[in-house]
Amino acid sequence: SQQGEEDPQALSIQEGENATMNCSYKTSINNLQWYRQNSGRGLVHLILIRSNEREKHSGRLRVTLDTSKKSSSLLITASRAADTASYFCATGLTNTGNQFYFGTGTSLTVIP
Amino acid sequence: GAVVSQHPSWVICKSGTSVKIECRSLDFQATTMFWYRQFPKQSLMLMATSNEGSKATYEQGVEKDKFLINHASLTLSTLTVTSAHPEDSSFYICSARFPSGMVGNEQFFGPGTRLTVL
Repeated sequence: SQQGEEDPQALSIQEGENATMNCSYKTSINNLQWYRQNSGRGLVHLILIRSNEREKHSGRLRVTLDTSKKSSSLLITASRAADTASYFCATGLTNTGNQFYFGTGTSLTVIP
Repeated sequence: GAVVSQHPSWVICKSGTSVKIECRSLDFQATTMFWYRQFPKQSLMLMATSNEGSKATYEQGVEKDKFLINHASLTLSTLTVTSAHPEDSSFYICSARFPSGMVGNEQFFGPGTRLTVL
């Protein structure tokens, strides 16, 4: 399967704490993207990191990519209750054109 | 940012009927659109790649005769679930990409269509 795996499957933290989610994948990639999905809703694009990048920041988000380990992490700092959602990584593979393959997702709950 | 819409947002149908879901790129032309399926509390699974003016490319295990895809224009792709059964109940999401640009970084997702088959 080309689908990635995310860890943990579920995460519950207090407001203000940091949340870290990990994504592992199996094949070579062009880029990796993180998305957020509120329950029963569509996807919101958070951040993209290319295969030649190691770290990227966007506001309270920090993404790292380690292509040697085929893994990425998403860090959300100073979490808020509104950050409660499911987070997915999606990989753009090198040999499949423009298709995305999504990871299994992490369900984040931020307790006020 | 670019906007992708889906219609309907929610559809309930009887087993054995066919359901058509539309995916539109509202403010850009999309030569390629993608269809995903998402079961409750699970991830998105890519079903097929829809190319304007040509046949769709289906992922392994997806029945092309059951999930008919038509990409007749640069702004519209349709997914028809034929002879729907309760196990087809799912959340169907489309995405669209610009005609040009770097691989993988310009896909815009629709809000999804929830299909419930009774």
